[in-house]
Amino acid sequence: GAGVSQSPRYKVAKRGQDVALRCDPISGHVSLFWYQQALGQGPEFLTYFQNEAQLDKSGLPSDRFFAERPEGSVSTLKIQRTQQEDSAVYLCASSPRTSGATYNEQFFGPGTRLTVL
Amino acid sequence: LAKTTQPISMDSYEGQEVNITCSHNNIATNDYITWYQQFPSQGPRFIIQGYKTKVTNEVASLFIPADRKSSTLSLPRVSLSDTAVYYCLVALYSSASKIIFGSGTRLSIRP
Repeated sequence: GAGVSQSPRYKVAKRGQDVALRCDPISGHVSLFWYQQALGQGPEFLTYFQNEAQLDKSGLPSDRFFAERPEGSVSTLKIQRTQQEDSAVYLCASSPRTSGATYNEQFFGPGTRLTVL
Repeated sequence: LAKTTQPISMDSYEGQEVNITCSHNNIATNDYITWYQQFPSQGPRFIIQGYKTKVTNEVASLFIPADRKSSTLSLPRVSLSDTAVYYCLVALYSSASKIIFGSGTRLSIRP
């Protein structure tokens, strides 16, 4: 079956522009996560959704970052007034359950590489 | 969340067994030890997960001593395609929340 897909794969923005990054999780997956990965570093958590509810947004670096998942499936990460330090790969992951008797492996998409000039 | 420490990089040769050790001194009772693999330009991929003793799947083995303060990922007979970054994580069993990845171990396999 199809995995997690993200679009666009690459995005170049001028400083100050707004960008929107899309994530299509695996169908039926309840949990959705966004991570930011700087060059040479491990992914860092940004935010977590359970269905349409955003339960944890503690990792969002500033109020310029906003994420939504209005119908509990596709999610969009929006970055307003982009800065050069926002340049990174943005990864989306989904998981089939919120909790339960088995470990909830996270399935990652290929990421969107954002470059802010 | 428990912090993990693992080597920054390792080198090995095709056909060898590779062992990557991770320390997690303040692991909590309900934490599970999990390893992910990441190739360039791809998202991380789950490899293996365990709580104690030994776990084996078709890809790797995971050895966890009784005190659970460390763990060792073992990759048997590596090939060039095993060149990747390997992340050791500790996460709650439910894993409905954030995962702390750390910087990982960059494994390079040579012919």
